[in-house]
Amino acid sequence: GQQLNQSPQSMFIQEGEDVSMNCTSSSIFNTWLWYKQDPGEGPVLLIALYKAGELTSNGRLTAQFGITRKDSFLNISASIPSDVGIYFCAGQLAGTASKLTFGTGTRLQVTL
Amino acid sequence: GAVVSQHPSWVICKSGTSVKIECRSLDFQATTMFWYRQFPKQSLMLMATSNEGSKATYEQGVEKDKFLINHASLTLSTLTVTSAHPEDSSFYICSARDLGTGITNEKLFFGSGTQLSVL
Repeated sequence: GQQLNQSPQSMFIQEGEDVSMNCTSSSIFNTWLWYKQDPGEGPVLLIALYKAGELTSNGRLTAQFGITRKDSFLNISASIPSDVGIYFCAGQLAGTASKLTFGTGTRLQVTL
Repeated sequence: GAVVSQHPSWVICKSGTSVKIECRSLDFQATTMFWYRQFPKQSLMLMATSNEGSKATYEQGVEKDKFLINHASLTLSTLTVTSAHPEDSSFYICSARDLGTGITNEKLFFGSGTQLSVL
């Protein structure tokens, strides 16, 4: 199946640092979503984006829907240990009614 | 918020046996549920879309006779892995769309997953 290209694949940062990750696709999506997954758990929605150019924040998280509708980025400011996990972007094509295509994931490790 | 319950959370079975995984929406009705498979250190791959009262829609490359899906009510979908083999070992995750709020991704909830290990 199709996957979105997500980078970086993994990140090791110190507590307090900012983090940036992005997701690109060859297809146009009408919705972009960002999820966090902890080991042995299902993904949890962080931010949802519905319009090209949209910039949305959720606490220390900020995400943007790219103007071309083929990319999105997620920023985490002032990282803390509980930010550790795998972050996935997901895109929804028009007319696919909640059917999501997931990115390859970014594994985040935060050191004290 | 809405909760999707998935059971069991983990299962170990012998090769050749069948395993059933349940996905329940606890406080909302879901006409549509989705089943994903996730191999270690990989992304979620959609296997099939489960539709209440009708046949499931399978993604390309997913064997419908191998992965039986039943969505008999608005709150329950089941995935049965038939004649399981070691290569079926994976993390299976379901998601359900909250019917009451319309087609928006903010109301798509995921279960906590089922780790299947086939010996």
